[in-house]
Amino acid sequence: ELKVEQNPLFLSMQEGKNYTIYCNYSTTSDRLYWYRQDPGKSLESLFVLLSNGAVKQEGRLMASLDTKARLSTLHITAAVHDLSATYFCAVDKGWNTGNQFYFGTGTSLTVIP
Amino acid sequence: DVKVTQSSRYLVKRTGEKVFLECVQDMDHENMFWYRQDPGLGLRLIYFSYDVKMKEKGDIPEGYSVSREKKERFSLILESASTNQTSMYLCASSLFESFNQPQHFGDGTRLSIL
Repeated sequence: ELKVEQNPLFLSMQEGKNYTIYCNYSTTSDRLYWYRQDPGKSLESLFVLLSNGAVKQEGRLMASLDTKARLSTLHITAAVHDLSATYFCAVDKGWNTGNQFYFGTGTSLTVIP
Repeated sequence: DVKVTQSSRYLVKRTGEKVFLECVQDMDHENMFWYRQDPGLGLRLIYFSYDVKMKEKGDIPEGYSVSREKKERFSLILESASTNQTSMYLCASSLFESFNQPQHFGDGTRLSIL
């Protein structure tokens, strides 16, 4: 069974600080997705990482993928309050599975002014 | 932009009732998915469908069924609702074999079973 683990589960950080969220998964996959969810809202796609070594950046967020280590990171640079949300990573289950995803448990990020 | 619409944002039902959750997408996607989201457990796949009248069980199908009579619509059915089915339910869609595209999500239905 594919497992996707995120850590930390909860993260409280001050504005202006840097931090990294980790996503480990238990099977070979070279497709990983990051989503953001605001309270009471749906999931919004942030990044699509499709190969080993892939790096994507958008504003203060940067995501990377190491398929050999089965690890993706979401790095936050100089956090601002607007980044407060829950972040999920999701791993594609593989070929011939109809684009099924396995989701991590989520990291709830609170940025304190 | 892809739009996935779930019929209700909040729903309160009683134990034993038959409950229908509806989802419609407007981008001609082949794949549609139903998840439930619970604190500390992330999103868990209940059922998915890759074509009209086709359905596949996900990781937690017990107590649920689905219906896909039209490509744009995917319904989740709780045959006899129980309190442990109180949860947030999310519908998603994607293109068939779309290995470089994310799934697109609706706003969710928060279902309470009393």
